[in-house]
Amino acid sequence: QKEVEQNSGPLSVPEGAIASLNCTYSDRGSQSFFWYRQYSGKSPELIMSIYSNGDKEDGRFTAQLNKASQYVSLLIRDSQPSDSATYLCAVNTQTTDSWGKLQFGAGTQVVVTP
Amino acid sequence: KAGVTQTPRYLIKTRGQQVTLSCSPISGHRSVSWYQQTPGQGLQFLFEYFSETQRNKGNFPGRFSGRQFSNSRSEMNVSTLELGDSALYLCASSFPSGRATNTGELFFGEGSRLTVL
Repeated sequence: QKEVEQNSGPLSVPEGAIASLNCTYSDRGSQSFFWYRQYSGKSPELIMSIYSNGDKEDGRFTAQLNKASQYVSLLIRDSQPSDSATYLCAVNTQTTDSWGKLQFGAGTQVVVTP
Repeated sequence: KAGVTQTPRYLIKTRGQQVTLSCSPISGHRSVSWYQQTPGQGLQFLFEYFSETQRNKGNFPGRFSGRQFSNSRSEMNVSTLELGDSALYLCASSFPSGRATNTGELFFGEGSRLTVL
């Protein structure tokens, strides 16, 4: 079983609609959760971080965390063609002395269609 | 504010050679992590450095090594290259000076794309 799992997609979303991306993780001790966006041929770009249960909103992005269910999600509202990319869920499974060690999911490809 | 700078951006090597990749973190960031990205395995953690010390190492053979200098710049080295080492090598920096704790947010460079023939 992979430690961080995401649907690979592609997730096809009409322009202006909401894209919903899901991620589950296996380590109950995980403390920090991140969403990265990666355009084809580019490096990952941090778009959201979340550390406690509930919702966190930043512009058109909302991250949701449920530690009891070991589930983190990302909503993209008013999706734009420029949102077409692969979205990577990342989890920090250690609490100290290992800030830089993230477990990444395989990524969900999002395609926003005009 | 400049981002993470990695050099070289592209390189081609042959089996058995060695390679050194360089990373300059965001100014003021104290921690540097290295990742390997391949289509088949995705992003995999290589190692992490803080204050010139390796804090953590991923599940890679000893051919993969790294170090961090006093100015936080980092290098990684791969010796005796194999075809399977062809990948995008990403450096990420974190932990700005002046913060008591690290949020764990990583900021990636553009990567060094290594092709082994």
